[in-house]
Amino acid sequence: DAEITQSPRHKITETGRQVTLACHQTWNHNNMFWYRQDLGHGLRLIHYSYGVQDTNKGEVSDGYSVSRSNTEDLPLTLESAASSQTSVYFCASSPRTERSYNEQFFGPGTRLTVL
Amino acid sequence: RKEVEQDPGPFNVPEGATVAFNCTYSNSASQSFFWYRQDCRKEPKLLMSVYSSGNEDGRFTAQLNRASQYISLLIRDSKLSDSATYLCVVNRGTGFQKLVFGTGTRLLVSP
Repeated sequence: DAEITQSPRHKITETGRQVTLACHQTWNHNNMFWYRQDLGHGLRLIHYSYGVQDTNKGEVSDGYSVSRSNTEDLPLTLESAASSQTSVYFCASSPRTERSYNEQFFGPGTRLTVL
Repeated sequence: RKEVEQDPGPFNVPEGATVAFNCTYSNSASQSFFWYRQDCRKEPKLLMSVYSSGNEDGRFTAQLNRASQYISLLIRDSKLSDSATYLCVVNRGTGFQKLVFGTGTRLLVSP
């Protein structure tokens, strides 16, 4: 069955370290997204991609980067982890169609703690 | 003001009760509206889209009032399995896949 996976599921790191969170989907979806979820804020968009070699900044992109070298993967990198980046991170994907919106399918999340 | 606002709850209801959640959004250019469900420590999943004329899916009814920028979700005959957080979600505009999520309304259904 097609799916979207994230790894690791839990990560503890130290301030200043570079961290990469993986996201892999097997639906062949063109669109992929990274969100973070914190109490009192709901899910906030970090970065998104509409296809290979395409990346765009979301509303909370500072300190994060992504790259899209193939359809299946959109890794999220924290260049220099900060305690403010402690959060739950969700990756999502959706197909490209003529509609302005399609359902986004979410991965199981990565719980990141920065000490 | 947040783009999407919801009452965080929790709403505590007995099995079989009817419960309604409301949501307001600030961007009058928003075109698409949804309710997602999120179980504790799990990923969000689409519950239903919200159409201008209102729509129903089994025990769930969604309504949209564009003039008041207001969305509602009604759950009839609540089940224990309905206990979750319900996220109001709004698309930022045509041609974009970007979503704005509310902080969610928590529902607890008790026996």
